[in-house]
Amino acid sequence: AQSVTQLDSQVPVFEEAPVELRCNYSSSVSVYLFWYVQYPNQGLQLLLKYLSGSTLVESINGFEAEFNKSQTSFHLRKPSVHISDTAEYFCAVSYAGGTSYGKLTFGQGTILTVHP
Amino acid sequence: KAGVTQTPRYLIKTRGQQVTLSCSPISGHRSVSWYQQTPGQGLQFLFEYFSETQRNKGNFPGRFSGRQFSNSRSEMNVSTLELGDSALYLCASSLAGHDTEAFFGQGTRLTVV
Repeated sequence: AQSVTQLDSQVPVFEEAPVELRCNYSSSVSVYLFWYVQYPNQGLQLLLKYLSGSTLVESINGFEAEFNKSQTSFHLRKPSVHISDTAEYFCAVSYAGGTSYGKLTFGQGTILTVHP
Repeated sequence: KAGVTQTPRYLIKTRGQQVTLSCSPISGHRSVSWYQQTPGQGLQFLFEYFSETQRNKGNFPGRFSGRQFSNSRSEMNVSTLELGDSALYLCASSLAGHDTEAFFGQGTRLTVV
């Protein structure tokens, strides 16, 4: 079965430190990859996406992720985090073709806590 | 333009009752998907509608159903509520489906007592 694994359920870091949130997926077909962020009692906000083209994608608030097809990974990184980055982050995969319409498969989420 | 709107935001129901949740997608989006989010199971796909047709369905019992109207607004219905149905229900809209980004609403928090 197709699946998404986020390797860390919780990641505590200090403000201004770098962070990496890891995501691996399993698939035998082409994929589209997404990172979403969720703040308490809110819906999901799209952080960044990989649909095609350059394997390194960036968001407007300093996050970046790199699609690695050989390792089936899409890790999220930020060189310097802020208190306001504290939230839960979800990696999601959409599988191309067939009966995958409108379906995102999510990882279990990583809670990022930024300490002052 | 307006984002995805879900109503109501909060709902408390008694076991055995039924409930209907509503989702208004972003203007121009024809695909609407529904997800259930719980602490134990995480985010799970319920179903997807496109142009009033259900194209995809997750592994949920038949008590969970949905529909989409000609203006792309969607509703989901849960009948014979169980305690385990307590969850945050999220709706997402996109232009066409899996290869376009999905925009989520703020969700409906359903509590079954």
